[in-house]
Amino acid sequence: GQQVMQIPQYQHVQEGEDFTTYCNSSTTLSNIQWYKQRPGGHPVFLIQLVKSGEVKKQKRLTFQFGEAKKNSSLHITATQTTDVGTYFCAGPDDYKLSFGAGTTVTVRA
Amino acid sequence: GAGVSQSPSNKVTEKGKDVELRCDPISGHTALYWYRQSLGQGLEFLIYFQGNSAPDKSGLPSDRFSAERTGGSVSTLTIQRTQQEDSAVYLCASGEYEQYFGPGTRLTVT
Repeated sequence: GQQVMQIPQYQHVQEGEDFTTYCNSSTTLSNIQWYKQRPGGHPVFLIQLVKSGEVKKQKRLTFQFGEAKKNSSLHITATQTTDVGTYFCAGPDDYKLSFGAGTTVTVRA
Repeated sequence: GAGVSQSPSNKVTEKGKDVELRCDPISGHTALYWYRQSLGQGLEFLIYFQGNSAPDKSGLPSDRFSAERTGGSVSTLTIQRTQQEDSAVYLCASGEYEQYFGPGTRLTVT
């Protein structure tokens, strides 16, 4: 089956700074989803991207789907302590989702 | 409406005992998934249900693991003869496109 890789595994960010986390697939994806899991919580759906080159924004979060539909990125501007958690990307793999290993974000105040 | 619920929220069991974990999906969702998440790790897919059928059970770690779904709704994941390596959070999700996760069951095998 297809594999979804995420980098970096850990991201330590100073409050107020920007950062980007990346997701790469071994195969072309029909869509890609992003989830956020707060410490001690469960994954929560954030967004789905479908079109090649698509860009979607949610407040300080910008999601992008690559032109070849094999990669995606999540860019967070002006990081806040509320951004702490693990961000997972996931791509369809037959009837299920194949999740990346996640990027765990910590924020230094 | 209600989200996905799971019970129990925490389960401590002795090695060798059987445990049963329950998932109540969002009403109307025909697709249901079970995942396992070890501490600080990603999501390990276990099994998928479409209605009451499980087309693919290949994610189950061993024959000690089984799952069923009845009435196209509630699902139970059973682990027989638990081992310490079974300790993890077991997450259930439902949804045809995006997945809605339950709060999970934290299983500790002593």
